[in-house]
Amino acid sequence: KAGVTQTPRYLIKTRGQQVTLSCSPISGHRSVSWYQQTPGQGLQFLFEYFSETQRNKGNFPGRFSGRQFSNSRSEMNVSTLELGDSALYLCASSLGIGSNQPQHFGDGTRLSIL
Amino acid sequence: AQSVTQLDSQVPVFEEAPVELRCNYSSSVSVYLFWYVQYPNQGLQLLLKYLSGSTLVKGINGFEAEFNKSQTSFHLRKPSVHISDTAEYFCAVTLTGTASKLTFGTGTRLQVTL
Repeated sequence: KAGVTQTPRYLIKTRGQQVTLSCSPISGHRSVSWYQQTPGQGLQFLFEYFSETQRNKGNFPGRFSGRQFSNSRSEMNVSTLELGDSALYLCASSLGIGSNQPQHFGDGTRLSIL
Repeated sequence: AQSVTQLDSQVPVFEEAPVELRCNYSSSVSVYLFWYVQYPNQGLQLLLKYLSGSTLVKGINGFEAEFNKSQTSFHLRKPSVHISDTAEYFCAVTLTGTASKLTFGTGTRLQVTL
């Protein structure tokens, strides 16, 4: 069974640009969550989607947005990029909603802002 | 709000020695507990989880953890480590309910040497 797939693996952007990251969950998984990982702040929750609806949102500015499609695939978008947005962005999927559902992570997209 | 503390940022250990990685949490409501491992340039892999029942939980790769409610701890142990266990280990919690948001500790770098 294929795992969580994130594309692209690496991205280089400049300040002010916008970027879209993609995540394909494990087949049959309907919940997708996004996390940001940085050396300074560690792993922080961005948002969670289930059935194309955002269920939960972390403490990030409105420049960070996401969506989920009917096939459970998800994208996140960051607009007006800042240097501090340089991070590893991780996507995780689980079968359904519920905090007892273990989340399975992809290998992430490493975003570098110049 | 819940929080997770991993007091040890780095733990050096010789191969075949036992190891314990410490994790303490704080929450006003019940939580579920998880340990994840991250190898270089990869995402997070679930090692084990505590949802309910027996407080001693066995996971993959020979790891186990014990939930101690009175001490609000969930320490990870392995009786004999291998070089291949060198990685970053993260303890995480979710609040019981429908939100899947994981709150992570800052991680412990396990360095296994010969």
